Amino acid sequence: RKEVEQDPGPFNVPEGATVAFNCTYSNSASQSFFWYRQDCRKEPKLLMSVYSSGNEDGRFTAQLNRASQYISLLIRDSKLSDSATYLCVVNRGSGNTGKLIFGQGTTLQVKP
Amino acid sequence: DAGITQSPRHKVTETGTPVTLRCHQTENHRYMYWYRQDPGHGLRLIHYSYGVKDTDKGEVSDGYSVSRSKTEDFLLTLESATSSQTSVYFCAISESGRGERRIAQYFGPGTRLTVL
Repeated sequence: RKEVEQDPGPFNVPEGATVAFNCTYSNSASQSFFWYRQDCRKEPKLLMSVYSSGNEDGRFTAQLNRASQYISLLIRDSKLSDSATYLCVVNRGSGNTGKLIFGQGTTLQVKP
Repeated sequence: DAGITQSPRHKVTETGTPVTLRCHQTENHRYMYWYRQDPGHGLRLIHYSYGVKDTDKGEVSDGYSVSRSKTEDFLLTLESATSSQTSVYFCAISESGRGERRIAQYFGPGTRLTVL
């Protein structure tokens, strides 16, 4: 079993749609969680951290369920520019070890 | 954007030749990382550094070595390149602060390496 699992998609949605991605992780000791965005042939970029209480950044909402070891990302009012691969990222183990485990990513295509 | 550059950005080499990739940061961050990204595998950690001359292995370190003689530079060397090392290589850095800011990593633009 992979340490971080994501549905690879692709998710094809029309502009303006709401889309949700899910991710599960296997290490119950993980303390830090992130969503990264990666455009084709570019480097991953930090989209947002994920906090236990849930957090929002504009059209993006992230949720964490520690009991189920599950992370989600909700994108509202999708834009063409949201088309990218979204990586779920979890740190390995407890404490600030800095070692991150990356999911393989979920691809989003937003259509006009 | 974090001040991270990688060189070269593209390289084609032959099996058996040594290759060195360079990562340079202007952020004075303590932690630096080398990853490779391949289809079906996602990003995998090769080596990382937690300070000058302090390095450690990641999950796919075989065939790679690293050096960090200055805070700003982290070098990845393929001693004798093989076709299985054809990949996209990303360098990343993380801050030396506390909590979340220390853990999140920021990536360079990547190096596309082809080993023939």
